[in-house]
Amino acid sequence: EDKVVQSPLSLVVHEGDTVTLNCSYEVTNFRSLLWYKQEKKAPTFLFMLTSSGIEKKSGRLSSILDKKELFSILNITATQTGDSAVYLCAINNNDMRFGAGTRLTVKP
Amino acid sequence: KAGVTQTPRYLIKTRGQQVTLSCSPISGHRSVSWYQQTPGQGLQFLFEYFSETQRNKGNFPGRFSGRQFSNSRSEMNVSTLELGDSALYLCASSFGLAGGMWEQFFGPGTRLTVL
Repeated sequence: EDKVVQSPLSLVVHEGDTVTLNCSYEVTNFRSLLWYKQEKKAPTFLFMLTSSGIEKKSGRLSSILDKKELFSILNITATQTGDSAVYLCAINNNDMRFGAGTRLTVKP
Repeated sequence: KAGVTQTPRYLIKTRGQQVTLSCSPISGHRSVSWYQQTPGQGLQFLFEYFSETQRNKGNFPGRFSGRQFSNSRSEMNVSTLELGDSALYLCASSFGLAGGMWEQFFGPGTRLTVL
């Protein structure tokens, strides 16, 4: 069965720190890999990655996909308390398979 | 532009009953996907509808079904409810072109409690 594994499961940092969240998968052919941020409500879209080695960036967040090594990372620089959330990674193939998420807590 | 809306937001049912949840996608989006989210299993894909046809399906029993109307609104039905069906049911919409769900926008969810 296709698996999406995120690590770490939880992370506690202080404001200003830089964090790297990992997503590894066991799917060899897929359309895209997506990152979402989920606070108290529904997930909000962050990035969609389709090509290996091309970094996507939005403000303090960036993400990259490595199709050869089957992983993606999500970087957050200069973290803020508002970044506290569960970050979900998903593989879009004929369905959408989500990882369990990484719970990030940013302390003031 | 209005976001994805789901009704009702909260629902309490008893075992054996059936339930219908509704989702209105973002205007112009033709793909609607449904997900079940529970603390134990995380976010799991139920099915996706595109242009009134079920295009993709997850690994859920036949008690879970759905449909999509010509205006892209979608409904999800769960029959013979079980305690384990208690969950947050999320709907997400996207343009859904080129055969994929691509960038999806989620609704606020329907919290279903089965007693």
